[in-house]
Amino acid sequence: DGGITQSPKYLFRKEGQNVTLSCEQNLNHDAMYWYRQDPGQGLRLIYYSQIVNDFQKGDIAEGYSVSREKKESFPLTVTSAQKNPTAFYLCASSMGQGAMQYFGPGTRLTVT
Amino acid sequence: GENVEQHPSTLSVQEGDSAVIKCTYSDSASNYFPWYKQELGKRPQLIIDIRSNVGEKKDQRIAVTLNKTAKHFSLHITETQPEDSAVYFCAANEWGGGSQGNLIFGKGTKLSVKP
Repeated sequence: DGGITQSPKYLFRKEGQNVTLSCEQNLNHDAMYWYRQDPGQGLRLIYYSQIVNDFQKGDIAEGYSVSREKKESFPLTVTSAQKNPTAFYLCASSMGQGAMQYFGPGTRLTVT
Repeated sequence: GENVEQHPSTLSVQEGDSAVIKCTYSDSASNYFPWYKQELGKRPQLIIDIRSNVGEKKDQRIAVTLNKTAKHFSLHITETQPEDSAVYFCAANEWGGGSQGNLIFGKGTKLSVKP
């Protein structure tokens, strides 16, 4: 658990602004993921990356963008195109495809 | 794509009783089924998982069973304690439709254990 970190814990933004959420891991995991969690909705996959310099859209990628320039880092940008950005965002990592995922502590984003 | 259904959405038990949460999945290629526990405002934490070559796995008061034929798996918690109160998520990995083993999560079960 302690090997994957997210910052900040709470983030407040005005509507129309882009915001970037940080995710770092020191577990030497190849795969990293971003999920969005809304009350009663479980975890929905936004983007995932199986290897450096490669990433794929998940189920709800519209309005989000990512990069994977380093193995340890997988930042998520919530753009102004995302219609309902207020949510709890969770980053996760795993050794590879279909393997156990470890979650970061999450960032709670509020956009007003 | 994979569809994971989880029931019930809320579950209230008396301390010391057992709790059972059930999940069904649709992708016959799924071969990994983890269960996560999430306390309010915190990260989901893996509590137990099972692979498709095993029918049952136990860890102290927690057990998971898997029925591949029926495509369902269940979490069993015995001798429940107030600290078991949390939201529990099941998941199954998806291999069809271009997915690469990504986990698909159920919508969660809020378990309340009353002292």
